[in-house]
Amino acid sequence: KQEVTQIPAALSVPEGENLVLNCSFTDSAIYNLQWFRQDPGKGLTSLLLIQSSQREQTSGRLNASLDKSSGRSTLYIAASQPGDSATYLCAVNINAGKSTFGDGTTLTVKP
Amino acid sequence: SQTIHQWPATLVQPVGSPLSLECTVEGTSNPNLYWYRQAAGRGLQLLFYSVGIGQISSEVPQNLSASRPQDRQFILSSKKLLLSDSGFYLCAWMNRGDIQETQYFGPGTRLLVL
Repeated sequence: KQEVTQIPAALSVPEGENLVLNCSFTDSAIYNLQWFRQDPGKGLTSLLLIQSSQREQTSGRLNASLDKSSGRSTLYIAASQPGDSATYLCAVNINAGKSTFGDGTTLTVKP
Repeated sequence: SQTIHQWPATLVQPVGSPLSLECTVEGTSNPNLYWYRQAAGRGLQLLFYSVGIGQISSEVPQNLSASRPQDRQFILSSKKLLLSDSGFYLCAWMNRGDIQETQYFGPGTRLLVL
């Protein structure tokens, strides 16, 4: 059974700092890995999707990496802003969109 | 462009009452559809997914059921709610055959069972 763990559970940083969120998974037989953002009481917004054959994906200030063999992914946020405050969820996709989610990292960026 | 709707946004129901949550998708056809539940401070748990009309797969044994009466409509139901059914319910869709396999989520329904 696939298990996804996200560390840390919560993170508070001052504005402008670079930060890394971690995601680990137990079964490396994945289709792809996706990072989502969730604002309080809202649905999920997809940030980055990495296929199993890829090593990283970038979008603006965000960079996600994938090391499938070791079961790890990181989400790097450069020059953090207060608007980045949210919960970030990692999801591992087995197939047909059947995803296993981590419990998320709640990020607070202080002005 | 594609959009996904869920209603109601919030629901407070007594234990033992029935439930019906609705999800509809616009701007696409023949999507895969998913129901997830999120407990407070936790990640999402996949409850049901559907690859076509009338085709429902259940991921976990529970007090809930799902139906897909139309291509772009997905309904989550219960005959008698339990306290443990409280949570945030999210519907999602994905284009079948999409290499990227990105899931798109609705705004969610917050259910409180008292």
